[in-house]
Amino acid sequence: GAVVSQHPSRVICKSGTSVKIECRSLDFQATTMFWYRQFPKQSLMLMATSNEGSKATYEQGVEKDKFLINHASLTLSTLTVTSAHPEDSSFYICSASSGRLYGEQFFGPGTRLTVL
Amino acid sequence: KQEVTQIPAALSVPEGENLVLNCSFTDSAIYNLQWFRQDPGKGLTSLLLIQSSQREQTSGRLNASLDKSSGRSTLYIAASQPGDSATYLCAVANFGNEKLTFGTGTRLTIIP
Repeated sequence: GAVVSQHPSRVICKSGTSVKIECRSLDFQATTMFWYRQFPKQSLMLMATSNEGSKATYEQGVEKDKFLINHASLTLSTLTVTSAHPEDSSFYICSASSGRLYGEQFFGPGTRLTVL
Repeated sequence: KQEVTQIPAALSVPEGENLVLNCSFTDSAIYNLQWFRQDPGKGLTSLLLIQSSQREQTSGRLNASLDKSSGRSTLYIAASQPGDSATYLCAVANFGNEKLTFGTGTRLTIIP
């Protein structure tokens, strides 16, 4: 149980295009979903927290107009990187919380974004 | 602001040895602490979760301890195997929100 999927696992795009990443909780309802980014050999940095049906809460320094988050249902959240640039190349990981145990998050396998 | 540090940043040990990974945090008002494993290019796998009221948790060859007052946790791996090679991350959940603050990670290599 508690499986989280991400799609796509890897994406390469040209500078200036937009990329959408999906995060799904497969066998539970996620009251809250989180989006992280991870640069090579670094730890995870939280970008935003999203609750179903409400606007995402972004961490300081994260541009909400650039990283659009939609949490349309209790099992799906999407992250859209708008007008991507090479500096947006990173590993993006989502996680989901069922609310059963405070602070417990289940992580997706990640999406490797490369912007040329 | 919570800060989480892991020492060492990298560790190589021969197969079969027991080892300890360290995690320290600056704000002791935590709700729980988790240890994760991350293989290269992959997501995170949860290993152990310790509630703030607990002192340790065990799963197979893994044992995690928590000393909240001193802001420290250790992950003990017994009889290490090459398959244990990965990056190990600790993360704390503070009261007030469900955000996790991650440590810097320890890259572990088990030498066959």
